[in-house]
Amino acid sequence: DAMVIQNPRYQVTQFGKPVTLSCSQTLNHNVMYWYQQKSSQAPKLLFHYYDKDFNNEADTPDNFQSRRPNTSFCFLDIRSPGLGDAAMYLCATSGLAGGAYNEQFFGPGTRLTVL
Amino acid sequence: GQNIDQPTEMTATEGAIVQINCTYQTSGFNGLFWYQQHAGEAPTFLSYNVLDGLEEKGRFSSFLSRSKGYSYLLLKELQMKDSASYLCAVTDSNYQLIWGAGTKLIIKP
Repeated sequence: DAMVIQNPRYQVTQFGKPVTLSCSQTLNHNVMYWYQQKSSQAPKLLFHYYDKDFNNEADTPDNFQSRRPNTSFCFLDIRSPGLGDAAMYLCATSGLAGGAYNEQFFGPGTRLTVL
Repeated sequence: GQNIDQPTEMTATEGAIVQINCTYQTSGFNGLFWYQQHAGEAPTFLSYNVLDGLEEKGRFSSFLSRSKGYSYLLLKELQMKDSASYLCAVTDSNYQLIWGAGTKLIIKP
């Protein structure tokens, strides 16, 4: 089945220790998104890629970086995690950018705990 | 600024009907989505409205009034598994998806 896969599902890191979250997709979608979601809050868009064209949200901290080496894979790097970065990180894909119907397909998420 | 308002929490009884409202103020409008999100899981797509009126899909229906900046999600014959958060999201004029904070729906037997 076509899907969005995130690894790991649960990640524990220490304060200040870099961590990388991964996302892969078999949908062949050209747009990929990274969201941060904290409890009872709306998902917050961190970045999105249209193919290899990287789009950074204005309020995304420099502590967060992303890479998309190919269509299928996308990575979120947190260079120095703080306690405030503990959250669920959601990867999503969509088949169109600049189109009105851009249903996003989500992976299961990675829950990050910072000790 | 852009804003989407939904009630924070609602409670309903198994077998009943519940309506979850969403109002939005966005720079342009290119469609409205409803997603369901169970605790600790990712959002899953429920419905999409771009024209005024009611879209029905099984036990779930979604309504849109663009002139009022208003939508609702109607859930019929509630089941315990419907306990989840329901997120309203609007595509703005830049085709960015603006998310509401979600409505936590609690179903009681």
